[in-house]
Amino acid sequence: DIQMTQSPSSLSASVGDRVTITCRASQRIGIYLNWYQQKPGKAPKLLIYAASSLHSGVPSRFSGSGSGTDFTLTISSLQPEDFATYYCQQSYSPLALTFGGGTKVEIK
Amino acid sequence: QVHLVESGGGVVQPGRSLRLACAASGFTFSRYAIYWVRQAPGKGLECVAAISYDGTNKYYADSVKGRFTISRDNSKNTLFLEMNSLRPEDTAVYFCARDGASYGSSSYSCFDYWGQGTLVTVSS
Repeated sequence: DIQMTQSPSSLSASVGDRVTITCRASQRIGIYLNWYQQKPGKAPKLLIYAASSLHSGVPSRFSGSGSGTDFTLTISSLQPEDFATYYCQQSYSPLALTFGGGTKVEIK
Repeated sequence: QVHLVESGGGVVQPGRSLRLACAASGFTFSRYAIYWVRQAPGKGLECVAAISYDGTNKYYADSVKGRFTISRDNSKNTLFLEMNSLRPEDTAVYFCARDGASYGSSSYSCFDYWGQGTLVTVSS
């Protein structure tokens, strides 16, 4: 299976900060990369698919970039509702989708 | 409106079995691959099993291979996960999730809809 490595595993930030989370794949995956947000006790929600496409209803302060092995999720101006855990996921291998370990975004 | 509702979780002793179900509504179930994703307490997400839209192709994570079986009944819009020889490390919330790339589409695979999850606790 393709391994996904996220960094950092956690970060502290303030409302209004620009936040960047990175994800690296163990092999080249083109743009087959998704990002999810999860809040405690809830199911994850899709934010970005195909590396940079914003899912319906997701605020434009979220953006994704990258291709090949290195990818980035950026929150341009952190809002109170954005404090959550974020996961990347590769969808290059049919049915064998794998997640990164997650990045917890906490309030500074 | 798309809905996925898991059921069948509970407390079970190590070595015993449990069967989870995921009831789908609001979309043409038979056109979508569906996944089981689990999350152990305080841990990250793990895809443990997946099944293609017609049930012909299946995937299992190494951690559950040989113990778990995924299946679907497209006539009843329901997904199943048969879990045998359960271990304490199988304790987790189990979610079902739909692959947003339907059969025949050119969309990229991603999990666009999720259920609320069902908790499985393996403990003596």
